[in-house]
Formats: sequence, structure tokens, C-alpha cells
Amino acid sequence: QLQLQESGPGVVKPSETLSLTCTVSGGSISSSSYYWGWIRQPPGKGLEWIGSISYGGSTYYNPSLKSRVTISVDTSKNQLSLKMSSVTAAETAVYYCVKGGNSVFNWFDPWGQGTLVIVSS
Amino acid sequence: DIVMTQSPDSLAVSLGERATINCKSSQSVLYTSNNKNYLVWYQQKPGQPPKLLIYWASTRESGVPDRFSGSGSGTDFTLTISSLQPEDVAVYYCQQYYSTPFTFGQGTKLQIK
Repeated sequence: QLQLQESGPGVVKPSETLSLTCTVSGGSISSSSYYWGWIRQPPGKGLEWIGSISYGGSTYYNPSLKSRVTISVDTSKNQLSLKMSSVTAAETAVYYCVKGGNSVFNWFDPWGQGTLVIVSS
Repeated sequence: DIVMTQSPDSLAVSLGERATINCKSSQSVLYTSNNKNYLVWYQQKPGQPPKLLIYWASTRESGVPDRFSGSGSGTDFTLTISSLQPEDVAVYYCQQYYSTPFTFGQGTKLQIK
């Protein structure tokens, strides 16, 4: 059964770069033609799609974040990563790693458990 | 961007009664070439990630109880729980995957009356 597990610093200072990793187990990122992505949820609030990437490296980003976000895949480690620069306190959120489908135009399933990132000095 | 608006924001229903949650998109999410609505429903319980319930607006995910059903087309969609159970207390989200950026409704909190 495919499982996704996010990891990274729980606290990031304002204006710095948030870096998260998602380790995929129970399947290989490179052996399938799926899209993978990141979604975030501020505490007590709704969901925001950050972006998606194909196993081959094609990326789609939310335009509201595009200038600050990089999503990449490391097939050798079976990992997905997220880098978001110049973060602010408003970006304190639970960050989820997700699997999409064969097309980027697909629902997300499964989701990782999520990792809370607090942006604070 | 496609704006997804859910109603109501919160809902209290008695056990065994029907719960209905609505989701409206600011533009159609029906792709006419395949006649599919690019609309999904998720359930999120406290402290957990969202769980897939229904995709293509009306296709129930494997393992999801048949009391959950989805309907609608174009811009107006409904999630119905036919007989509310205690374990259905959660926040429900709709999401469109018709175009990027993918967008979610604000969520509907479902509670027991």
C-alpha cells in the first residue's frame, strides 16, 4: 500500500526558505506515470494547492506562489521535495504531500499525514 | 481561477437523518469531450489528512460506505449522506481538478444534532 511521509523543520524564520521532503513507500515514484504534489492547510482553515510534478519532472504551480516555489523529484531516493522561499507568518500551515493520477487533472489520493510548519522568529 | 463555494458552512443533523452539502463552481467543470465533471469530495476528520470520498462528481471511492453519494453537473454539485452515522462527523471539502490552479471549497463542518 502506497504511503507518503512528510519531513522537515517544524519552525522556519520569516523571509527564509521552507524545505520539506516527502518519502514515498510501497511503490516507486519512477516506475509509474503519476503526478505528485503538495497542498497546505493553515491551522483551522481550508486547503490550498501549491503545485504538482510528474515523475518525469513536468511541473505545475499555483500562480500565487509560483515565483517562490520549487517542487522536485529525487527518483534515487523515492522522494518528493518542496522549497518555498521568502516565507511569512501567514504561511504557517500543515503541509501535505499527495499523489495524483496519470494526468495532472486528477484528484489527490492518498495524502501524507502532513507536517506542521510554523513560520516564526 | 475557479472559485468553489460550499454551503452551508456548518450543518447539524440528527443520527440516521440525511445530510446534504452543496458545492458551486464559478465556471463549469464539465469537460464536454468526455462528459466528465472534474469534481471531487474529501472528508477530513480532526488531526487527519483529507480522505477521498467521491471523484468525477459521483463515483464513490472503493471502501466508502454507500450512504455517501455525489451528484450534479456543470457548476452545481451535492454530497449526500443518506443516514448520518457518528463516524461521519467531519469537515467536507469539494475540489475542482478541471484547471490549474486546483481549488477547494471552504469546507462544511458536519456535526450531530
